[in-house]
Amino acid sequence: KAGVTQTPRYLIKTRGQQVTLSCSPISGHRSVSWYQQTPGQGLQFLFEYFSETQRNKGNFPGRFSGRQFSNSRSEMNVSTLELGDSALYLCASREGTVTGELFFGEGSRLTVL
Amino acid sequence: DQQVKQNSPSLSVQEGRISILNCDYTNSMFDYFLWYKKYPAEGPTFLISISSIKDKNEDGRFTVFLNKSAKHLSLHIVPSQPGDSAVYFCAASWTSGGSYIPTFGRGTSLIVHP
Repeated sequence: KAGVTQTPRYLIKTRGQQVTLSCSPISGHRSVSWYQQTPGQGLQFLFEYFSETQRNKGNFPGRFSGRQFSNSRSEMNVSTLELGDSALYLCASREGTVTGELFFGEGSRLTVL
Repeated sequence: DQQVKQNSPSLSVQEGRISILNCDYTNSMFDYFLWYKKYPAEGPTFLISISSIKDKNEDGRFTVFLNKSAKHLSLHIVPSQPGDSAVYFCAASWTSGGSYIPTFGRGTSLIVHP
């Protein structure tokens, strides 16, 4: 079974631009979550999608948005990029609705200049 | 306000000895706890978990202990191996909208010296 795939792996943007990151979950997994990892801050939860619906949302500004498609693939978008948005963005998928085990992708490393 | 705290940013251990990674939490609603391991340039991978109805869970060299009254859990690695060198994240979760959303700590970087 293929793992969680995230694209692109690395990208550089400038302040004010927007970015879209993509995530393909493990086949059969219907839940997709997004996390932001910055140095010293651990993994901070952005949002979770299940069956194309955002089920949970973390404490991030509205510039951060996401969506999930009928095939469970997910995208997240960050608009009006700020320097502080530079981070590793991790996508994770899981099978059901109650299990706590997440399967993570390798992440998309975003650098904002 | 950090709900999951890993107060030691780093830990250095000799190969063959025990590694003990600690984690504290503040939210009494948490009822499921997990440890993830992360190597550089890779995503975190699940290591071991424990439900709040238990106080110990063991998987090979890895054992997680949960002390609910102290809101504390720890991960023991015995014996430690150089390949265990990684960042370890503690996570805690509760049922929210029918789905467990883990809250992660900031991680502890474990270095195991040969």
